[in-house]
Amino acid sequence: AQSVSQHNHHVILSEAASLELGCNYSYGGTVNLFWYVQYPGQHLQLLLKYFSGDPLVKGIKGFEAEFIKSKFSFNLRKPSVQWSDTAEYFCAVNARTGFQKLVFGTGTRLLVSP
Amino acid sequence: EAQVTQNPRYLITVTGKKLTVTCSQNMNHEYMSWYRQDPGLGLRQIYYSMNVEVTDKGDVPEGYKVSRKEKRNFPLILESPSPNQTSLYFCASSSTSGLAGANEQYFGPGTRLTVT
Repeated sequence: AQSVSQHNHHVILSEAASLELGCNYSYGGTVNLFWYVQYPGQHLQLLLKYFSGDPLVKGIKGFEAEFIKSKFSFNLRKPSVQWSDTAEYFCAVNARTGFQKLVFGTGTRLLVSP
Repeated sequence: EAQVTQNPRYLITVTGKKLTVTCSQNMNHEYMSWYRQDPGLGLRQIYYSMNVEVTDKGDVPEGYKVSRKEKRNFPLILESPSPNQTSLYFCASSSTSGLAGANEQYFGPGTRLTVT
């Protein structure tokens, strides 16, 4: 069974700082990878996803993530955060076979101070 | 507007009183799923459904039931709620066309349940 680890539980940044959130997964087969964001009081929304092709994926709001297969990682990055990026970020993975189960990490709570 | 709706949004109930949380999607999605979100644990899948009359357990199915009689609806039933089911619940749906599992899941607004 697959699992997802997000090592940063809480991150505090000032506006304009660069962001990198770590995500590692464990699964031996082919996977699809996702980053979802949950703004305060709202439901989850997709930021970006990777399923094949270029391992550097660009998403909405200036976010990007890089899939490094050898490291089982899918870290999320943004060069310059804004106060409006304050949210909880979830990495998720499903297996290409047995994709019915989307497994989430425990989330990283990001606070951006103005 | 394409959306997943859940009702109620907030519910406070007592131990043992049966309740149902409804979920409906208007995107003609085959796949639907229920998750619970707890602090420090992220989202955990309760049940999922690949299509009408096809449901299966997720990671934390104990104490829950589901049904999928129509494609658009996927209610979550707590026959005898207990305090450890106090949580934030999300319903989600996605298409199953194209590359397996690569489709975005669309989430509902959440239902905050408190069982006393």
